[in-house]
Amino acid sequence: GAVVSQHPSWVICKSGTSVKIECRSLDFQATTMFWYRQFPKQSLMLMATSNEGSKATYEQGVEKDKFLINHASLTLSTLTVTSAHPEDSSFYICSASTGGAAYEQYFGPGTRLTVT
Amino acid sequence: QQQVKQSPQSLIVQKGGISIINCAYENTAFDYFPWYQQFPGKGPALLIAIRPDVSEKKEGRFTISFNKSAKQFSLHIMDSQPGDSATYFCAAPKNSGYALNFGKGTSLLVTP
Repeated sequence: GAVVSQHPSWVICKSGTSVKIECRSLDFQATTMFWYRQFPKQSLMLMATSNEGSKATYEQGVEKDKFLINHASLTLSTLTVTSAHPEDSSFYICSASTGGAAYEQYFGPGTRLTVT
Repeated sequence: QQQVKQSPQSLIVQKGGISIINCAYENTAFDYFPWYQQFPGKGPALLIAIRPDVSEKKEGRFTISFNKSAKQFSLHIMDSQPGDSATYFCAAPKNSGYALNFGKGTSLLVTP
C-alpha cells in the first residue's frame, strides 16, 4: 500500500520551454502532497505544499510563477516548470500524505529534469 | 529557521556490525519522527517512524530510540548488510502544517 508514482521519470527539455511533472497516489487518497527538489548528494528541499482544491503554499525563496502546482484531485498533483533554464535542472520528488496520518509521507520515485 | 541536525555525514560499517545515525531537532508541532532510506536515483522510502508515546520502536533490524527531553532520536541498524548501503534521512515536523524538515543525510556504506 501507499504507492506514489511520478511521470515522467526523466525529461530533457530546451531552455525556455515548460515541463509538466505528474504525481499520483495509486492506492490511497492524498489530501496533501508535497514537492521537493534534490541536488546531487544533498538533502530534500521542500518547494511547496499542496492541498486538493486549494492553492499551493510555497516555501520562502521558491518562485510560485515559475513552479506552478495544481492539485486537482485527491490522487493527482502536477508541477509545471515554466520557462525552464539550465539552473532548474534537478531531481524533483513528490510525496503524498494519507488522510489518517497526515505526517506520514510516501515519496514518488522522482523525476530527473535536464534543461539544455 | 528550524533545523534538524543529523550526524554523521558518512559512515562505513562492516557487514554484521551496528550502524548508528543520530538526529537532533528543535521545536515541532507534533512528535512524529521518521527515517527514510534512499538509494541513488530513487525517491526516499519510509523506513521506520516513532510517535511520542514510546521511547523506542523496533522493526526487524531497525530500531529508533527517542529522547524527548534532549530532543534527539537515533536510528540503529543491527546486523548491517551490504544491501543497507544507502543514504538515510531523518525528519521532524515543522512548527505548523504537515510538512517535514529533513536532516542533511547520512551516506552509509556496509562493507562485505
